[in-house]
Amino acid sequence: KAGVTQTPRYLIKTRGQQVTLSCSPISGHRSVSWYQQTPGQGLQFLFEYFSETQRNKGNFPGRFSGRQFSNSRSEMNVSTLELGDSALYLCASSSDTTSGTYNEQFFGPGTRLTVL
Amino acid sequence: AQSVAQPEDQVNVAEGNPLTVKCTYSVSGNPYLFWYVQYPNRGLQFLLKYITGDNLVKGSYGFEAEFNKSQTSFHLKKPSALVSDSALYFCAVRDISNYQLIWGAGTKLIIKP
Repeated sequence: KAGVTQTPRYLIKTRGQQVTLSCSPISGHRSVSWYQQTPGQGLQFLFEYFSETQRNKGNFPGRFSGRQFSNSRSEMNVSTLELGDSALYLCASSSDTTSGTYNEQFFGPGTRLTVL
Repeated sequence: AQSVAQPEDQVNVAEGNPLTVKCTYSVSGNPYLFWYVQYPNRGLQFLLKYITGDNLVKGSYGFEAEFNKSQTSFHLKKPSALVSDSALYFCAVRDISNYQLIWGAGTKLIIKP
C-alpha cells in the first residue's frame, strides 16, 4: 500500500496570502489528522476528520480550516498568513472504525511552509 | 483537564545501557496509549500501542512500554540502547470517552557511543 502523501512538499508564501495543503491518506483509512510542527512549539494538533466529519479541533485561530472529501482525501487552508505560520505541516491517517476502534496514525512527510 | 506529560525534554544514555523515556497522562476515560518516534529529517513513525490486555507491550526496534494504571504512566523502555535510537520520541493518549488524542511535548533521546 502506498503511504500518506502530502502536496506540495515545500511552499513559500508572503504574509497576507492564503495557502491550501493537500493530504491523501492510506487507502482504506477514513481518519485524517493535521498537525503543525515547529522547533519551539513541538507538535501541535490542528484538527481530525473521520468520514468527512470534523471529530476534533485543536486550539488554533479560525484562519486555519480543513475539510475531508468522500474519498477521505483532506485539505487544510490557512488564510491571511502570518510569519508565525512558518512550520512543517504533517498529515496522518489511521484505520479507525465507526465501531470505536482507534488505531495508530501513519504520517506523511509533511509540507514545509515558509512565510516571508 | 486532559493532559500528557513527558517530564524530560532530553534524555542522555550511553550506548549499551538501558533507556527509559517517561510518559504520564490524565484523561477522563479509558486510554489508548501510543509511542511514536521521529528520526532526524524523517517523518513520525508509530512504535507501539497499548489498548488492553498485557500491561507490557512490545514494539518496533526492540522497544517496549509498560502500562501502569495506578500511576497513569506508559514509560518507553529498551534494554540496550543503540546510537541509532537517537531521535525525538512522542507519547500520545486517546481518551475513548471523547475521541480526544492528546500528545506529549516530546523527549529528545541522545545515545552516546
